[in-house]
Amino acid sequence: QVTLKESGPVLVKPTETLTLTCTVSGFSLSNARMGVSWIRQPPGKALEWLAHIFSNDEKSYSTSLKSRLTISKDTSKSQVVLTMTNMDPVDTATYYCARIQRVVAVILFDPWGQGTLVTVSS
Amino acid sequence: EIVMTQSPATLSVSPGERATLSCRASQSVSSNLAWYQQKPGQAPRLLIYGASTRATGIPARFSGSGSGTEFTLTISSLQSEDFAVYYCQQYNNWPSVTFGGGTKVEIK
Repeated sequence: QVTLKESGPVLVKPTETLTLTCTVSGFSLSNARMGVSWIRQPPGKALEWLAHIFSNDEKSYSTSLKSRLTISKDTSKSQVVLTMTNMDPVDTATYYCARIQRVVAVILFDPWGQGTLVTVSS
Repeated sequence: EIVMTQSPATLSVSPGERATLSCRASQSVSSNLAWYQQKPGQAPRLLIYGASTRATGIPARFSGSGSGTEFTLTISSLQSEDFAVYYCQQYNNWPSVTFGGGTKVEIK
């Protein structure tokens, strides 16, 4: 069974750096066809893609947030870490990680972790 | 960036009725489109990928169609567990992906 679980602080202050960890099980981060993506969702709003990482360390970032994001992985620990600098109250959201499968020309975001709500407030 | 627009924002449907949700892309995404279902307090769940292929375990009452810029998700006979928010997502512009704003399917 494939599972992903997000962990990190529930509250951060404005200007601080957020560090979130996604711990995966049921698949390996060394699998060439699989990666992990981070997606966020402000309360009552839509989903927003943030970043991906794959086994070969291929990384991609949202254009609008690229300067603030860093994604990395520790294959031995089955963990993917996302850092976001200079946090602002508008960054308050539930942050999800999801497995990505690349199957020929198809990209599958499945499954998703349960999400972790991060509130930015002083 | 490819903008995904979903309509309507809210759809009121009676159980057993058919629901038709629309998703429009600002430029062609070929068939590189997925649909997700999200229930309150839960993570999104993949329903459809490749515009029309059901993900593993998804009931046959869910179907997707379309290509290019116009897509439709149809739920043939709404069950109580189908009342949720539905999102479309394009991955044609990989590695950048974008989601639509969502359609909430509520009980009429």
